[in-house]
Amino acid sequence: DAGVIQSPRHEVTEMGQEVTLRCKPISGHDYLFWYRQTMMRGLELLIYFNNNVPIDDSGMPEDRFSAKMPNASFSTLKIQPSEPRDSAVYFCASRASLRAEQFFGPGTRLTVL
Amino acid sequence: AQSVTQPDIHITVSEGASLELRCNYSYGATPYLFWYVQSPGQGLQLLLKYFSGDTLVQGIKGFEAEFKRSQSSFNLRKPSVHWSDAAEYFCAVGNAGNNRKLIWGLGTSLAVNP
Repeated sequence: DAGVIQSPRHEVTEMGQEVTLRCKPISGHDYLFWYRQTMMRGLELLIYFNNNVPIDDSGMPEDRFSAKMPNASFSTLKIQPSEPRDSAVYFCASRASLRAEQFFGPGTRLTVL
Repeated sequence: AQSVTQPDIHITVSEGASLELRCNYSYGATPYLFWYVQSPGQGLQLLLKYFSGDTLVQGIKGFEAEFKRSQSSFNLRKPSVHWSDAAEYFCAVGNAGNNRKLIWGLGTSLAVNP
């Protein structure tokens, strides 16, 4: 079975540009999580969805960040405009409703110059 | 407040030596406990989990962990470390209730000397 798929794996952009990160969860999983990982702050939960509906976005740092899940097999995390302090690795994870463990994608390493 | 503490930021062991990584938690409900491993440039991979029952759980790659409720701990162990075990290890706690979030520790970086 395919795991969680994220694209792109690496993104380098300039400050002020829009960045869109993509995630395909494991088929049949109805929870999807977006995390950000930095050396300073560790692993931070940004937002999570249940059945395509955002449940908790309290971790989204500011209005420049937005996330959508238009269907059960696709989610995006958008940063507009991007800033150098957004440089981090962004992970997507999914889980099944009756399970507690999350399965992670390989991450997107974002560098904002 | 709910929290997970991994007291050791960085540990170095020699190949073949035993390993114990510590994890302490503070959690109001009955906890589900997890250990994940992150190799350089990779995502997080589930090593093992504890939900209920036997407090000693076995995981992948020869790892095991023991849940001690009285100590609020869930320490990860391996009897003989391999060079390929060098990675970042994360402990996390959650529950089966309505709150589906996991609370994460800051991780322990493991280096293995040949």
